[in-house]
Amino acid sequence: DTGVSQDPRHKITKRGQNVTFRCDPISEHNRLYWYRQTLGQGPEFLTYFQNEAQLEKSRLLSDRFSAERPKGSFSTLEIQRTEQGDSAMYLCASRPQGAKVNEQFFGPGTRLTVL
Amino acid sequence: SQQGEEDPQALSIQEGENATMNCSYKTSINNLQWYRQNSGRGLVHLILIRSNEREKHSGRLRVTLDTSKKSSSLLITASRAADTASYFCATALTQGGSEKLVFGKGTKLTVNP
Repeated sequence: DTGVSQDPRHKITKRGQNVTFRCDPISEHNRLYWYRQTLGQGPEFLTYFQNEAQLEKSRLLSDRFSAERPKGSFSTLEIQRTEQGDSAMYLCASRPQGAKVNEQFFGPGTRLTVL
Repeated sequence: SQQGEEDPQALSIQEGENATMNCSYKTSINNLQWYRQNSGRGLVHLILIRSNEREKHSGRLRVTLDTSKKSSSLLITASRAADTASYFCATALTQGGSEKLVFGKGTKLTVNP
């Protein structure tokens, strides 16, 4: 399977715990995106990487959230001191360098439930 | 905040009928895209229309774009039960080189066999 992969697919945690999600983009896609989707809503942009550089961050990305892409390949999204409001689907997407339009390829998502 | 709204929020039709979904947005765009999401899964790109295009076709899909009204429509012809999913429009903005896509709230389509 050469699509975007995300791990884990589901995560249940207690309030106050830290969680980390991983995203592996399509090989040779240098642009990587994180979105959050709550029930009944469309995805909302969180952050964007070009290679290892984090170039764009949403105001939704509070100081409890941190994303990294240290080698320009996979990315991690960490949420510290989780709150019930963090319960959502976290989606990762990627796209190749040089693409003429901003068509993004999405992974299956990680569903987070904070109890 | 979300860019705009899809209309209707939910649509239920019989197999073989056509389904039309509308999307409105608020700011200037480079292009508008439609994505499909099956229940609890990731999004699949369906079709993209550039801001200088008015209509585009792909298989059973037809997309229109009216930049003066800041609106788009997605028509699925001869629907199938497998088309049951949520459909989202997403806009790529012109401002400041932003890479983000801004999604609407989606239309939940149910095609009954």
